[in-house]
Amino acid sequence: DAGVTQSPTHLIKTRGQHVTLRCSPISGHKSVSWYQQVLGQGPQFIFQYYEKEERGRGNFPDRFSARQFPNYSSELNVNALLLGDSALYLCASSLEDAIDTQYFGPGTRLTVL
Amino acid sequence: RKEVEQDPGPFNVPEGATVAFNCTYSNSASQSFFWYRQDCRKEPKLLMSVYSSGNEDGRFTAQLNRASQYISLLIRDSKLSDSATYLCVVNLQGPGGFKTIFGAGTRLFVKA
Repeated sequence: DAGVTQSPTHLIKTRGQHVTLRCSPISGHKSVSWYQQVLGQGPQFIFQYYEKEERGRGNFPDRFSARQFPNYSSELNVNALLLGDSALYLCASSLEDAIDTQYFGPGTRLTVL
Repeated sequence: RKEVEQDPGPFNVPEGATVAFNCTYSNSASQSFFWYRQDCRKEPKLLMSVYSSGNEDGRFTAQLNRASQYISLLIRDSKLSDSATYLCVVNLQGPGGFKTIFGAGTRLFVKA
């Protein structure tokens, strides 16, 4: 079975631009969470979606938004990119609620110039 | 105070050594607990869930102490392949919604 997939794997943008990152959960998983990881730190929680509804939000500005589709895939959108948004963006899926075990995708490495 | 704190590391140990990682969390409403390992420039991979009764998987033993808000991971007979960053993870559901909190990670180097 395929694990969590994310696209694209790498992305280079300039300040002020907008980016959309995509995630497909493990088949049968209904919950998707998004994380930002900068070098030397643990992943920081951005959002959690379950059954297409936002169930949790971390301390990120409104420039960050997300949604989950009927097939449980998800998009993370970031507007007005800043240099500090350069990071590895990780998606994780879990079977039901994200209190369950989460399984991570390989991530999208975003560089903002 | 950080919500999840781990030993800063790095830990440098010889093959065959026993190494222990510690983690504390600040929110007593925390509901589920995990250890993940992360290799350089890769995604975190689940190592094990952590329960109050303790759980063991081969050379790895994890323990949760809810009263002290403390989580531990013990690795026995360290292998070169155990070299990685170990991340302590706490999930909690509160009035503001759901949150997953990662520690900053503890780097382990196992040398021959």
